[in-house]
Amino acid sequence: NAGVTQTPKFQVLKTGQSMTLQCAQDMNHEYMSWYRQDPGMGLRLIHYSVGAGITDQGEVPNGYNVSRSTTEDFPLRLLSAAPSQTSVYFCASSWGGEQYFGPGTRLTVT
Amino acid sequence: AQSVTQLGSHVSVSEGALVLLRCNYSSSVPPYLFWYVQYPNQGLQLLLKYTTGATLVKGINGFEAEFKKSETSFHLTKPSAHMSDAAEYFCAVSDGGGSNYKLTFGKGTLLTVNP
Repeated sequence: NAGVTQTPKFQVLKTGQSMTLQCAQDMNHEYMSWYRQDPGMGLRLIHYSVGAGITDQGEVPNGYNVSRSTTEDFPLRLLSAAPSQTSVYFCASSWGGEQYFGPGTRLTVT
Repeated sequence: AQSVTQLGSHVSVSEGALVLLRCNYSSSVPPYLFWYVQYPNQGLQLLLKYTTGATLVKGINGFEAEFKKSETSFHLTKPSAHMSDAAEYFCAVSDGGGSNYKLTFGKGTLLTVNP
């Protein structure tokens, strides 16, 4: 099993550009989540999904959209990037009380 | 709402010394508690977790933590630090049961191990 995979690993965007961060898991987990990590802030929940077709907002959802059309994939969309979205983004899937994290995407918005 | 407080954003110990990283939480329901470790430029790896049952939980790499409900604490310890333990450590809480996919994290503690 590959576990949780994320692409790209690194990305630089200009303010106002849009992009999609990809996340996929091959463990057939129903639950998936997106977090952002900022220095001194820990990880904060952006959006989560409890199954295909079902998503909900976390602590810091503004500026991000998600959808879940399949169990395997949970992409995160930035519609109009802002410098405040410069961060490291982690996707996770969950089963049995444990979360499995992807390797992260480091995003810089200039 | 849940919250996690990690006391000390930076802890420095000598190799072979006791490691103690402090975590206090608040939760209105019985919590699930976790410790994660993050090495530089890597993702998060689960060290240990408490869900129900025994309050002293053992994890990987010689770490353990004790759930103390009366103190709302879940401190992480290791008897003897290794250089390889240098990393950032995060305590996290979920409300247990069916919502274990929503974690609330502390701000992290950077552990430095001196030779």
